[in-house]
Amino acid sequence: GAVVSQHPSRVICKSGTSVKIECRSLDFQATTMFWYRQFPKQSLMLMATSNEGSKATYEQGVEKDKFLINHASLTLSTLTVTSAHPEDSSFYICSGSENYGYTFGSGTRLTVV
Amino acid sequence: AQKVTQAQTEISVVEKEDVTLDCVYETRDTTYYLFWYKQPPSGELVFLIRRNSFDEQNEISGRYSWNFQKSTSSFNFTITASQVVDSAVYFCALRERIQGAQKLVFGQGTRLTINP
Repeated sequence: GAVVSQHPSRVICKSGTSVKIECRSLDFQATTMFWYRQFPKQSLMLMATSNEGSKATYEQGVEKDKFLINHASLTLSTLTVTSAHPEDSSFYICSGSENYGYTFGSGTRLTVV
Repeated sequence: AQKVTQAQTEISVVEKEDVTLDCVYETRDTTYYLFWYKQPPSGELVFLIRRNSFDEQNEISGRYSWNFQKSTSSFNFTITASQVVDSAVYFCALRERIQGAQKLVFGQGTRLTINP
């Protein structure tokens, strides 16, 4: 079945630095990739939707300059958390859209210290 | 606007009991899709089922079954003879078109604990 490979699975970074998270669709072309954020014991909140070759669409309240999304190819989308701060610590998970289903990456647990 | 409500925040049962997780949704679309996902402690989302709005047949997959009732906008999930390995957070989600884009919106999740 369809697989989305997400890396890294865990990352700890210092406050003020940037972190890049990659999601690759391994055996399908993800024309659309979704990025979610999940705080502890909470639901998944959609951050942005990216389509290959175009600018991402951000949900209300999500800072596009802070969460840079690049979807340069049909198999790769990246999320860069710029100038990370402790409040950005969260679980980030991507999802590739295929037909009417969604394939999720395994998630990235970001801790900003 | 759309919304997915999972009113049960946490459920705890003893192994082998049956348990039903409720999901109620709101949508203005006539065509939409409903999903259930399992999220174990490791964090990854495990796909369980997808159901479109035109298919109201109930579905059974092993110990899992789903009851889709359009009349009450509910898509409930039942685990029969629960096992410790069923312990996880379960999310119900709705896919519909919002402002021209297909989006998947999740309920708040139900944390299910199966005690031995």
